[in-house]
Amino acid sequence: GNSVTQMEGPVTLSEEAFLTINCTYTATGYPSLFWYVQYPGEGLQLLLKATKADDKGSNKGFEATYRKETTSFHLEKGSVQVSDSAVYFCALRMEAGGTSYGKLTFGQGTILTVHP
Amino acid sequence: ETGVTQSPTHLIKTRGQQVTLRCSSQSGHNTVSWYQQALGQGPQFIFQYYREEENGRGNFPPRFSGLQFPNYSSELNVNALELDDSALYLCASSLKAGETQYFGPGTRLLVL
Repeated sequence: GNSVTQMEGPVTLSEEAFLTINCTYTATGYPSLFWYVQYPGEGLQLLLKATKADDKGSNKGFEATYRKETTSFHLEKGSVQVSDSAVYFCALRMEAGGTSYGKLTFGQGTILTVHP
Repeated sequence: ETGVTQSPTHLIKTRGQQVTLRCSSQSGHNTVSWYQQALGQGPQFIFQYYREEENGRGNFPPRFSGLQFPNYSSELNVNALELDDSALYLCASSLKAGETQYFGPGTRLLVL
């Protein structure tokens, strides 16, 4: 079946450091890929997405590129802030139809803590 | 534009009881998906409703059931609660199945 694997956490960085959170996926076909962020005590917020190979999703200084050859969608940010402290989830979605229904399959999440 | 809302925010139940969780979808969205997020884990798909019909189901037992109403709001019902049902329950709405899903804040359920 389809699955998403994220790098083990937690990740602890100092403010203005460079961030990478690795995400790889397994899927039969060509999924859409997403990064969601969850702040303490809250639900999930869509951070960025990419729907086909070589697409780059970006938002709030975060970027991720859909790499079909390595089945990856790594999240990066050049300079993190304390306010970026949260849990980050990578997810995939197959095209709706058949048994897919367009459901999201999530990784286990990566906790990011940024210190001043 | 109102986002996805869920109620209640927190709930405590005892083993064997039944619970109903509610979700109001974002304006114009006719598809609602429910997810269970256990502590320290990623969300797991429970089921999806599209235009008042169940459109797909994940690997959850039949004691997890749902409804969608004509205004596209939705309920998640869980019967015979077990300790392992303690989790954050997330509702997400989308314009239609296969479109981007937008999540509500969740209902945190504790089963004692």
